[in-house]
Amino acid sequence: GAVVSQHPSWVICKSGTSVKIECRSLDFQATTMFWYRQFPKQSLMLMATSNEGSKATYEQGVEKDKFLINHASLTLSTLTVTSAHPEDSSFYICSVMSSSGREETQYFGPGTRLLVL
Amino acid sequence: GESVGLHLPTLSVQEGDNSIINCAYSNSASDYFIWYKQESGKGPQFIIDIRSNMDKRQGQRVTVLLNKTVKHLSLQIAATQPGDSAVYFCAEGLYSSASKIIFGSGTRLSIRP
Repeated sequence: GAVVSQHPSWVICKSGTSVKIECRSLDFQATTMFWYRQFPKQSLMLMATSNEGSKATYEQGVEKDKFLINHASLTLSTLTVTSAHPEDSSFYICSVMSSSGREETQYFGPGTRLLVL
Repeated sequence: GESVGLHLPTLSVQEGDNSIINCAYSNSASDYFIWYKQESGKGPQFIIDIRSNMDKRQGQRVTVLLNKTVKHLSLQIAATQPGDSAVYFCAEGLYSSASKIIFGSGTRLSIRP
């Protein structure tokens, strides 16, 4: 499977500030990456699909101006939470699509825990 | 809307016994199913997947069973170990476009010594 890293692993910020989270594909070039959000004791919810060299595709209900996604290279996608508020506190997880033979599967990063005070 | 759901939110199993985690799906168009394991504070880890043209697939100590008639998916873990303690999610999607998968609500597996 693919090896995915995220940075930082956790971050605490003040309300109103912006936070950038990085997602890196370490062992192959990923044209497509995904960003999920997970609240405590809940499942993963897809926020957006990040495509290298083009605009991200956001899921319904996700504000594109608040969650800025940049996929400038085949190994790096960033998610910026702008003007963060306490309700944005969550576990943010990215994934990459990896092809193994005829199958495509998503492999996930370790996640970034965001706490907005 | 259509979703993937689980029958049991929590499961407690004696160490060494087999575990069976169940999942129901409602989207009849889904033809690709994946099981993920998520340990506390970590991202989901791929366990095993199965396409709808199969009804059983085995991995190392794990088996996934698919019953398309009743839209049911299960994950069997043989000889459950303490390291198997985690939340398990099933996810569904389309094989032709595995990019968008929908996660179920998750089952927490706890191991009794």
